[in-house]
Amino acid sequence: AQSVAQPEDQVNVAEGNPLTVKCTYSVSGNPYLFWYVQYPNRGLQFLLKYITGDNLVKGSYGFEAEFNKSQTSFHLKKPSALVSDSALYFCAVSDTNTGNQFYFGTGTSLTVIP
Amino acid sequence: DSGVTQTPKHLITATGQRVTLRCSPRSGDLSVYWYQQSLDQGLQFLIQYYNGEERAKGNILERFSAQQFPDLHSELNLSSLELGDSALYFCASSPGWGNTEAFFGQGTRLTVV
Repeated sequence: AQSVAQPEDQVNVAEGNPLTVKCTYSVSGNPYLFWYVQYPNRGLQFLLKYITGDNLVKGSYGFEAEFNKSQTSFHLKKPSALVSDSALYFCAVSDTNTGNQFYFGTGTSLTVIP
Repeated sequence: DSGVTQTPKHLITATGQRVTLRCSPRSGDLSVYWYQQSLDQGLQFLIQYYNGEERAKGNILERFSAQQFPDLHSELNLSSLELGDSALYFCASSPGWGNTEAFFGQGTRLTVV
């Protein structure tokens, strides 16, 4: 069965430091991987995706993510965190078998400390 | 603005009642997804429609139903409401298949009292 794990409910990082939000996945086919961000009382906003090709994908607001097939991971990274990056981050996966359905992780709350 | 419109933004209703949530997808998107977000259960996939047909079903209760109309807008019907149904309900749309990202609406906050 397809699933996504975000092992950390909460990540705290100092402003200006690099940040990492972790995601691992399990799918039966080839994965399509996504990151979304949710600000309070707002819908989810798309950040970036991995479909195929280069394992390092770049997205909105300076975020990037690295696809690692052997570790079945897709960690979200940013070289220098901003206070405005504080939000809830969701990893999601679909695959070539299920196609339509997106499976979301439980979310990681990121707090950037000034 | 994602281009996905959900109405109403807020809804307060009593237990046992029935409500309808509406979603207008982005122009050209054929897939519509419904999700429920609650504090204790995270983001739960409910159901997906593609061009008017049901394509995937998640943890949707029998008291809940949905449909997608010929103009591609979708409605989620929640009946015999219980206190535990209080949550944020999100609609998302995408052009079609799982290799394209979905765009989310702002959600409908349902409060059952």
